[in-house]
Amino acid sequence: NAGVTQTPKFRILKIGQSMTLQCTQDMNHNYMYWYRQDPGMGLKLIYYSVGAGITDKGEVPNGYNVSRSTTEDFPLRLELAAPSQTSVYFCASSPIRGLRSGANVLTFGAGSRLTVL
Amino acid sequence: AQSVTQLDSHVSVSEGTPVLLRCNYSSSYSPSLFWYVQHPNKGLQLLLKYTSAATLVKGINGFEAEFKKSETSFHLTKPSAHMSDAAEYFCVVREDSNYQLIWGAGTKLIIKP
Repeated sequence: NAGVTQTPKFRILKIGQSMTLQCTQDMNHNYMYWYRQDPGMGLKLIYYSVGAGITDKGEVPNGYNVSRSTTEDFPLRLELAAPSQTSVYFCASSPIRGLRSGANVLTFGAGSRLTVL
Repeated sequence: AQSVTQLDSHVSVSEGTPVLLRCNYSSSYSPSLFWYVQHPNKGLQLLLKYTSAATLVKGINGFEAEFKKSETSFHLTKPSAHMSDAAEYFCVVREDSNYQLIWGAGTKLIIKP
């Protein structure tokens, strides 16, 4: 099994450009998440989804958009890239049963390093 | 609201000596707590989790953590460090109201030969 696959691994953007970070999971997990990781900080939740067609804002949603048209895919879109969005982005997924029982075990992708200049 | 504090940004130990990574949390309820590890240029991997069962939790690679409610702590330990343990470690608490995870800032573990 591939688990959670993120693309691209690295990207450099100019201010004002737009791009989409792709995330796909093949574990049939209902919950999917996008986090950003800044140096010296813990992960901050950007958006999450509890199933196809349902998304919700996390802690730091400004400047981002998401969609969830299928169970497998959860792309993250940056419309007008800003230097403050320079970060490492992680996609993750978890089964709904794990969340309710408190186990909440996330499977993470390998990360996407984005630099905005 | 829950929060989590990792008391050390960096911990340096010699290979073969014990490891202690400290984590304190605040929570209104009985929390679920986790430790994740991130090796350089890799994604995050679950080390161990506490979900109101045994207070001493054993994880992968010889790590364990003890939940101490009176001290609101969930420190991560390992009896003997190995070079392959060099990584960043994150303590995480699960928020009861919406099941979201609250992440500590991370502790970078450095292993000296």
